[in-house]
Amino acid sequence: GEDVEQSLFLSVREGDSSVINCTYTDSSSTYLYWYKQEPGAGLQLLTYIFSNMDMKQDQRLTVLLNKKDKHLSLRIADTQTGDSAIYFCAVPSPYNTDKLIFGTGTRLQVFP
Amino acid sequence: EAQVTQNPRYLITVTGKKLTVTCSQNMNHEYMSWYRQDPGLGLRQIYYSMNVEVTDKGDVPEGYKVSRKEKRNFPLILESPSPNQTSLYFCASSLFGSGPYEQYFGPGTRLTVT
Repeated sequence: GEDVEQSLFLSVREGDSSVINCTYTDSSSTYLYWYKQEPGAGLQLLTYIFSNMDMKQDQRLTVLLNKKDKHLSLRIADTQTGDSAIYFCAVPSPYNTDKLIFGTGTRLQVFP
Repeated sequence: EAQVTQNPRYLITVTGKKLTVTCSQNMNHEYMSWYRQDPGLGLRQIYYSMNVEVTDKGDVPEGYKVSRKEKRNFPLILESPSPNQTSLYFCASSLFGSGPYEQYFGPGTRLTVT
C-alpha cells in the first residue's frame, strides 16, 4: 500500500535549524515535493527533488532524499517565526505518477 | 492574477441535502484535483482529472461525484452528504499531473454536515 508518514509536531527556537522528516512505503521514480500550509490558507509548493538526487539546496531550504530507506527530510536553516506553518511531504503513487500521496503534515511552531 | 477559486468558503448543511462546491482555475491547467484535509490524516485525494471529460478516483471517492465539462471548472458534488463528510476541502490544479509542476491550491471550503 501507499503510506506517507510524518511526525505531527515540531517546536524550535527562532534562529535554530528545523528538520522535518517524512517516510514513505513506496514511490514512483520521479519528483518528491514539500508543501507549506499557512494558517487559513491552501498549500503552496516549497521545493521538490528528483528521485535520482540525494540533496537539493534552495536558499535556507535543504532537501535530503535517502531512497534506500525511503526517507525524505526538509531542513530549514535560521528558522524564523514566519516559518510557522504545517509542512507536507508528497510523493507520487508507485502505481500512478499522476496521483500524489500527501503525508499527514508536520506543524512547525517557532518560538522567540 | 493566476489563481484557483472555490465557492463557497464555508458551508453548514444537513444530512442528505445535495450540495455542490465549485472550483475554477484561470491558468489553462490540464490537471485538477480535489482533496479533503482532516486532523491527523493529512490530505487525501478524492478525485482528479487529467483533462476535459477525463476523471478518475483518488483514495477516498465514496460519497462524492465530479465532472469536467470545461477545462477551467471542476465541481465537487455531494449527492447525499453525511456527517463523516464534515471536513476542509481543497481544489488544486497543475499544468500536468506528474513532473516538476506545482499544484496550485484554492483557499479551501470548510464544510459542516449536521
